[in-house]
Amino acid sequence: AQKVTQAQTEISVVEKEDVTLDCVYETRDTTYYLFWYKQPPSGELVFLIRRNSFDEQNEISGRYSWNFQKSTSSFNFTITASQVVDSAVYFCALSEPPSNDYKLSFGAGTTVTVRA
Amino acid sequence: DGGITQSPKYLFRKEGQNVTLSCEQNLNHDAMYWYRQDPGQGLRLIYYSQIVNDFQKGDIAEGYSVSREKKESFPLTVTSAQKNPTAFYLCASSRGEVRTDTQYFGPGTRLTVL
Repeated sequence: AQKVTQAQTEISVVEKEDVTLDCVYETRDTTYYLFWYKQPPSGELVFLIRRNSFDEQNEISGRYSWNFQKSTSSFNFTITASQVVDSAVYFCALSEPPSNDYKLSFGAGTTVTVRA
Repeated sequence: DGGITQSPKYLFRKEGQNVTLSCEQNLNHDAMYWYRQDPGQGLRLIYYSQIVNDFQKGDIAEGYSVSREKKESFPLTVTSAQKNPTAFYLCASSRGEVRTDTQYFGPGTRLTVL
């Protein structure tokens, strides 16, 4: 069963538009961690954020913000005022230490294209 | 500069050959990982190692082998038993002190079987 679902395969926006990437996860553990990574065309995965299941506060980092809602098992990511450099594949991932030692379960990724 | 290096960036292999992908880190991380990425899919874990001289199979270990003789190095061998080895391979590392430490990734190796 898919533990992390990123329903949006591709999103295309014009520069300066906001874009929200959805991430829905599935776990039976009460302690778990969620991550977002960015994969630019060069291929390397760049770490963006790590959030534990006990911290439901939303977080903002520059133009990036994250909305964590345990009630709906979602951890959505918004890029405000998008730029061409934001074009990449974005992955959401789940870590469940009690039942899935050391493993990250990745979603299939969402490809974001920002047009000038 | 601390980081993870992978070599080569591109690798071509003939069917029936074994090839070894290099992964080196100078972050002083205990844990290292190998993932495989296929087009349109997320990453899948091949092998991971929490400490030197110890490693565990991931979800798709068949046809692959690893070694962990040094803390800094975690090479991956793609054997001829791997039926469909063409893919993008990513190495990662984490402190390993806590099970959920953030994993940091290298630039990847793209393997193509001719």
